[in-house]
Amino acid sequence: AQSVTQLGSHVSVSEGALVLLRCNYSSSVPPYLFWYVQYPNQGLQLLLKYTSAATLVKGINGFEAEFKKSETSFHLTKPSAHMSDAAEYFCAVEMNRDDKIIFGKGTRLHILP
Amino acid sequence: KAGVTQTPRYLIKTRGQQVTLSCSPISGHRSVSWYQQTPGQGLQFLFEYFSETQRNKGNFPGRFSGRQFSNSRSEMNVSTLELGDSALYLCATSRGRNSPLHFGNGTRLTVT
Repeated sequence: AQSVTQLGSHVSVSEGALVLLRCNYSSSVPPYLFWYVQYPNQGLQLLLKYTSAATLVKGINGFEAEFKKSETSFHLTKPSAHMSDAAEYFCAVEMNRDDKIIFGKGTRLHILP
Repeated sequence: KAGVTQTPRYLIKTRGQQVTLSCSPISGHRSVSWYQQTPGQGLQFLFEYFSETQRNKGNFPGRFSGRQFSNSRSEMNVSTLELGDSALYLCATSRGRNSPLHFGNGTRLTVT
């Protein structure tokens, strides 16, 4: 079955430090991949999406993600964390053109002052 | 451009009752998906509608149903509510496949 695994339900980083949120998917066919962010009491907002045009994808708010087919990974990074980055982050996969979008269980990012 | 609108924002119901949630998509979006979000399970896919047809369905009991109207607005219904149905229900719309989802702010359902 298709699945998305986000390693770490909670991640804490200091303000100004590197943010790394991990996402792995199970598929032999390169999928369409997304990262979303959810702030308290809100729906999810798209951060970035991978559609095979380039393996390194830049998103909003300084986030980027790299697609690595050999590792079936799509980790999210940001060079320098800001207090406003505190939120829950979801990795999502659309495996083929006629399938539903599956979300990981989310990683809550905490920023330490 | 108006975003995805979900109504109501909050709902409190008792066990055994039924509830209807509404979602109005962004103009031009014909695909509407529904998700249930709970702390323990994360986001779980309920179903997706496209042009008034259910295109995909998740693993939820038949008490959960939905429909889409000709103007792309969608409703989901939950009958015979159970305590475990308490959750944030999110609607997400898009233009179609390989298009990112745009989410509403959700309806927070509490079953007592």
